[in-house]
Amino acid sequence: SQQGEEDPQALSIQEGENATMNCSYKTSINNLQWYRQNSGRGLVHLILIRSNEREKHSGRLRVTLDTSKKSSSLLITASRAADTASYFCATGNTGANSKLTFGKGITLSVRP
Amino acid sequence: GAVVSQHPSRVICKSGTSVKIECRSLDFQATTMFWYRQFPKQSLMLMATSNEGSKATYEQGVEKDKFLINHASLTLSTLTVTSAHPEDSSFYICSARDGTGRRAANTGELFFGEGSRLTVL
Repeated sequence: SQQGEEDPQALSIQEGENATMNCSYKTSINNLQWYRQNSGRGLVHLILIRSNEREKHSGRLRVTLDTSKKSSSLLITASRAADTASYFCATGNTGANSKLTFGKGITLSVRP
Repeated sequence: GAVVSQHPSRVICKSGTSVKIECRSLDFQATTMFWYRQFPKQSLMLMATSNEGSKATYEQGVEKDKFLINHASLTLSTLTVTSAHPEDSSFYICSARDGTGRRAANTGELFFGEGSRLTVL
């Protein structure tokens, strides 16, 4: 079953603008991850934030996590046309066999 | 980063035939691999969790006899779609978790293959 729900479902911005994508989930988690998928390709891991963390940065990416609201946001600053892709949040729990539950994804289009 | 190789990337087959998709971890030992199915413009739906040397754990609603999973070694898992029908046409993606924990700063990250697009005529 789907746990993560991203919004908006589609986002179109101009190159250079910031893109903010949100994800909400329902149950308690150990970590939340964001992945990127180019059309017809596999997923690439972007960033992981643990349940005891509130904010994390990686290059132009900034992720926040609010466990009280069961929500996370992914901010891409100074977007580029190459950032055009689908972005998924995924929630995970502890354990070597723990599986990730993916949201429906957000389609980001960055216009050059 | 860690590399997971998935093969074939595209396959077209006739209805009733069986198709095997391979997922290999190239530079780490994957004690656990996951198989997903993705329909166009939709999210990934977990089909099964594959553990090396043991039977796969299937998600509710996934037919075990239809989607045969074998994880015979620490670097290879295979998904066989048996007696494929047009409704089985989809994008199948595997992912692997590094069993040693060395490839990632944490063991939460999954490494994905490039996916296999199956078209059943």
